[in-house]
Amino acid sequence: GENVEQHPSTLSVQEGDSAVIKCTYSDSASNYFPWYKQELGKGPQLIIDIRSNVGEKKDQRIAVTLNKTAKHFSLHITETQPEDSAVYFCAAAGGGTSYGKLTFGQGTILTVHP
Amino acid sequence: GAGVSQSPSNKVTEKGKDVELRCDPISGHTALYWYRQSLGQGLEFLIYFQGNSAPDKSGLPSDRFSAERTGGSVSTLTIQRTQQEDSAVYLCASSAGASPLHFGNGTRLTVT
Repeated sequence: GENVEQHPSTLSVQEGDSAVIKCTYSDSASNYFPWYKQELGKGPQLIIDIRSNVGEKKDQRIAVTLNKTAKHFSLHITETQPEDSAVYFCAAAGGGTSYGKLTFGQGTILTVHP
Repeated sequence: GAGVSQSPSNKVTEKGKDVELRCDPISGHTALYWYRQSLGQGLEFLIYFQGNSAPDKSGLPSDRFSAERTGGSVSTLTIQRTQQEDSAVYLCASSAGASPLHFGNGTRLTVT
């Protein structure tokens, strides 16, 4: 089955700095890669996703890059703000009928210091 | 609009008891998923319902776990003879077919 590795497990940055979280996956058939943000006591919330036919996707301060050959993808947050502090999860899925059958990374605790 | 609703938000039960966890998906979403989130195992897929198709039960950890979805809407996850290792947050998510998952806030289950 699929295996997703996520690094780092914790990340501390100053407000205004950039943050980068990296994930690798094992199954070359995976073709859908979402990123979720989870705040304390709440469920994961989708922040951005990318499909395997695209190498990069950007939404305001958030971007995701995908390297299918190396089987890794990364989340980039620019101009970080204290409200970006949360746990971030990457995930991978095979798409099609198993679109939501996600394998998650172990999560990154991001702390943004004012 | 309303998101995915789960109840109860917290459940404390004694080892050996059965528990039922409820999920109300977003109206119109045909796909419904259950995940489990625990400190040791992270977020794990449990089961998936899509329309009237047979559910994908490949993530259920044991035969003590079962789920049903009535009328293509509400779903119930049942854990029989609970064990301490079942303590976790149980998350439900729904989607409109091949679209991103929307998660509820989960049910925190504690088995004493």
